[in-house]
Amino acid sequence: GAVVSQHPSRVICKSGTSVKIECRSLDFQATTMFWYRQFPKKSLMLMATSNEGSKATYEQGVEKDKFLINHASLTLSTLTVTSAHPEDSSFYICSARLILAGLTSVYEQYFGPGTRLTVT
Amino acid sequence: AQSVTQLGSHVSVSEGALVLLRCNYSSSVPPYLFWYVQYPNQGLQLLLKYTTGATLVKGINGFEAEFKKSETSFHLTKPSAHMSDAAEYFCAVSEFSGGYNKLIFGAGTRLAVHP
Repeated sequence: GAVVSQHPSRVICKSGTSVKIECRSLDFQATTMFWYRQFPKKSLMLMATSNEGSKATYEQGVEKDKFLINHASLTLSTLTVTSAHPEDSSFYICSARLILAGLTSVYEQYFGPGTRLTVT
Repeated sequence: AQSVTQLGSHVSVSEGALVLLRCNYSSSVPPYLFWYVQYPNQGLQLLLKYTTGATLVKGINGFEAEFKKSETSFHLTKPSAHMSDAAEYFCAVSEFSGGYNKLIFGAGTRLAVHP
């Protein structure tokens, strides 16, 4: 089946530093990946849609200058949390879209295992 | 905009009992519906999905869900709970917005299974 990996699985950083999280589709190409944020005991909030070779599309209320997304290849998207603060501590999950049957309207999202970010 | 409501943030059942997790959606177009399971500190795993065709959908681990258009529901069931089913379950609907199909998630239901 389709596998999506994330690296690192856990990261602790100091306030004011930047952290990069990688999302890779291991056995399929993904022109579109999604980045979610999950607060404790809460649902997933879509942050942005990452498109290979173009700018990401951010959801309303998400600071694009703080959460930098780069989708440089068909198998890799990165999320960089810039100038991290304790309130950025969260569980970040990516997913990759696998198009089925050659139809863009029929697809599945495969999720990575998540990255736990703690900002001290 | 579409939305998903999961009734009951916590559900507790005995091992071997029926599992019923409720999901209602709002959509102006025929929806694609999904159920995902999340174990602690892990990502989401797809249990099952409804796109078109048969309204009773069977998924992994013995789960199934029935799409009922008249009730705008997509409840998840399993005849006999197992201890390993304890997890967080999310219902989601696919929404086409900004040129992409996006998943809109419900708030989630935490399932506890006790001996």
